[in-house]
Amino acid sequence: SQQGEEDPQALSIQEGENATMNCSYKTSINNLQWYRQNSGRGLVHLILIRSNEREKHSGRLRVTLDTSKKSSSLLITASRAADTASYFCATDPRSGGSNYKLTFGKGTLLTVNP
Amino acid sequence: NAGVTQTPKFQVLKTGQSMTLQCAQDMNHEYMSWYRQDPGMGLRLIHYSVGAGITDQGEVPNGYNVSRSTTEDFPLRLLSAAPSQTSVYFCASSYSMSSYNSPLHFGNGTRLTVT
Repeated sequence: SQQGEEDPQALSIQEGENATMNCSYKTSINNLQWYRQNSGRGLVHLILIRSNEREKHSGRLRVTLDTSKKSSSLLITASRAADTASYFCATDPRSGGSNYKLTFGKGTLLTVNP
Repeated sequence: NAGVTQTPKFQVLKTGQSMTLQCAQDMNHEYMSWYRQDPGMGLRLIHYSVGAGITDQGEVPNGYNVSRSTTEDFPLRLLSAAPSQTSVYFCASSYSMSSYNSPLHFGNGTRLTVT
């Protein structure tokens, strides 16, 4: 069963614009991770935010977490064509924040047009 | 440093055939897992292993077997392939079970078609 659900399913923007995608989840979590998948490739870890954090930055990435709403957002600023990929949120609802049974959402397909 | 290597990249099977999808990592990772990715379904966990000799079931284990005789290798066996097993299969590994300091590293997948 899907713990996280990304929204929107697909997003198309122009290079230089910001892209925001959202993730909602169902049960309490210890942390939430975001991964990127380029077409035909495996997933690559982007960032992890703990349940006691509200915001985290990594380069052009900004992640927020609202545990009261059980939601997270990923913002990519000044997007580039190379950011074109699918983005997934992942959670493990078990305590301790483990990789044991990491559950992924269905992903948001981001297309950045040059 | 090769990371997580999956072979083959593509495979076509007939219903009822068996095969083994190979996964190897050279990072001395403790944790390894298999996911399948289907359109509109996201990734679903099939089996995972927390160390050599230890395996456990994920969300969709039926029709698949695994073993972990070495730290490096975690093969996935399809005993009698069915069209419902047509999917892209990803192997992933991490240094430890804790997601805080060891995110998952993924292979590039095996695209399997069962006719």
